[in-house]
Amino acid sequence: GQQLNQSPQSMFIQEGEDVSMNCTSSSIFNTWLWYKQDPGEGPVLLIALYKAGELTSNGRLTAQFGITRKDSFLNISASIPSDVGIYFCAGPVTGTYKYIFGTGTRLKVLA
Amino acid sequence: GAGVSQSPSNKVTEKGKDVELRCDPISGHTALYWYRQRLGQGLEFLIYFQGNSAPDKSGLPSDRFSAERTGESVSTLTIQRTQQEDSAVYLCASSLVYGGGTEAFFGQGTRLTVV
Repeated sequence: GQQLNQSPQSMFIQEGEDVSMNCTSSSIFNTWLWYKQDPGEGPVLLIALYKAGELTSNGRLTAQFGITRKDSFLNISASIPSDVGIYFCAGPVTGTYKYIFGTGTRLKVLA
Repeated sequence: GAGVSQSPSNKVTEKGKDVELRCDPISGHTALYWYRQRLGQGLEFLIYFQGNSAPDKSGLPSDRFSAERTGESVSTLTIQRTQQEDSAVYLCASSLVYGGGTEAFFGQGTRLTVV
């Protein structure tokens, strides 16, 4: 079945640095969603992408829907300590309404 | 309501007991999803509802797991004869309509511990 693979699995960065992470699939997705999960909380939606090639920003976050429709990227600029958490990509399995999630990228920011 | 609400927030139960987890979706959201998240792991799809029907139950781990939704609102996830392997955070999400093109919003989850 469809799976979403995220990389890197974890990152340690210095405050102020930019961060890049990606999500890939062996099959096409028509929607890409990026979520952030803080410890003990449910995931919170950051950015939604609906069109191949789309580039969308939300403050310091920028995400892109890959033109092949098999990948997506999330960038965080000028990281701050509160960016710490787990970032998940997600999308609906083609032909269904079932959202699946990637394996997550764990981000730690060193002040 | 303003957001997805789940109850209880924490549940400790003895092995072999049944538990019920409740999800109140955002008002007007027709789609509802249940996920399981084991410690340090990603989100594992369990089941979703379109209105009151559940067209895809393939994610339910065993016949000890069941879910229902009434009135296109509240959903209950029931785990019978709980096992220690059932310990996890159970997350519920809802979206305005079902399918791609709409975002799913999550509750804070129910942390289930089976002792």
